[in-house]
Formats: sequence, C-alpha cells, structure tokens
Amino acid sequence: ETGVTQSPTHLIKTRGQQVTLRCSSQSGHNTVSWYQQALGQGPQFIFQYYREEENGRGNFPPRFSGLQFPNYSSELNVNALELDDSALYLCASRPNSGANVLTFGAGSRLTVL
Amino acid sequence: QKEVEQNSGPLSVPEGAIASLNCTYSDRVSQSFFWYRQYSGKSPELIMSIYSNGDKEDGRFTAQLNKASQYVSLLIRDSQPSDSATYLCALAGTGGFKTIFGAGTRLFVKA
Repeated sequence: ETGVTQSPTHLIKTRGQQVTLRCSSQSGHNTVSWYQQALGQGPQFIFQYYREEENGRGNFPPRFSGLQFPNYSSELNVNALELDDSALYLCASRPNSGANVLTFGAGSRLTVL
Repeated sequence: QKEVEQNSGPLSVPEGAIASLNCTYSDRVSQSFFWYRQYSGKSPELIMSIYSNGDKEDGRFTAQLNKASQYVSLLIRDSQPSDSATYLCALAGTGGFKTIFGAGTRLFVKA
C-alpha cells in the first residue's frame, strides 16, 4: 500500500507568479484535502475534493484552486502569488470508508520572494 | 473565537513524567476528534481518534473527550524524549467536509 506522495518538495517563486502542486492519494482513498501550514501555525484547511468535485472550502481566496483526477490524484494551483503564501502545503487523503482519519503527504514547501 | 484552541506551549516535562495536553473547541456539532503529532520539518501523523465521551487508551496515550464542556485532552504517560514534538488537536463535523486543526502545543521531554 503506497502512502500519499507530493511534488515538488521545495520550490521558490516570485510575487505574481503561479504555482501548481501535485498529490497522489493513498490507495483506497477517494477524498483529498489540501492544507496550508505557516511556520509555527496549525494546518489551515484550503479545500477538499471527493470524486473530482470540490465539497468543502476554507477561507481562502479564489486564486487558490484545485482539481482532482479520475485516479483521485489532485492538484493545487495558486495564482498571483503573494509573500504570505510562503508556507508548507500539505495534501491529505481519507479512506473510501468515510472515516475522517487523514493521511498526510510530506508536503511541498513554497517560498515566495 | 478560534474554532480549536490549544496552549502553544512549550510544555516541558521530565522523562518518565505524564504530559497533559488540552484543547477546547467552539463548534458543538463536531463529531470526531483527533490528536496528531508533528515532528519538526515533518508532516502530521495520527496518534489517537475519539468519538464518544470518556477516555480512550492506546499504549502510553489516553485521549479524553467531554462534549458538554467542549474539551479534549491527551495524556502521555512515561514521556520519552522521542515524544518531543508539536501535538495538534483536530476535529471534524458530520459529513467530514473538513477537518479543523488547532495551532498545536509544543512538547519538550527532557532526558
């Protein structure tokens, strides 16, 4: 059974640029959530995808968008990057059984200069 | 008021002692409660889940839930230096549309 994998692990962008982060969910997991974790803070919920549809969203602006693919992998896209977008972006998947237990990937650390 | 409140710490305990971590929440409809551990530079990993009032024990860990008081706690017995990490309290409502995390409590276990 494979875990949750994320790419890239680290990246540096400049203000105004766009970024795409990728996530492959764990086998048997059809729900994927994305979180933003700033230094010293807890993970903040961005949105969740279930069977390719967004079914929950946190307090993030529309320039944060996502996709889920038929194989349940997912992308997080952030447009018009701002300095405050610098953070660890975590992808987490949940099992098809509906249990709310999250399995996290190692994260993508984004630095915006 | 934040949805999930935790004391940021750091909480420092000697090796072998009991570490007590606390969490309060504001949403009364929350159904599922979790404790995740996050080592520095790593991603969160689940330690305990609890769904009913009372205590739930798993090895050295005991989670306690009091829905009337909107309070969740985690006790770590016989604390070890390897328990030094940030402990995140999390909760989810019905439907599981989102899991909300607290800011975390940093725990240091001194050898």
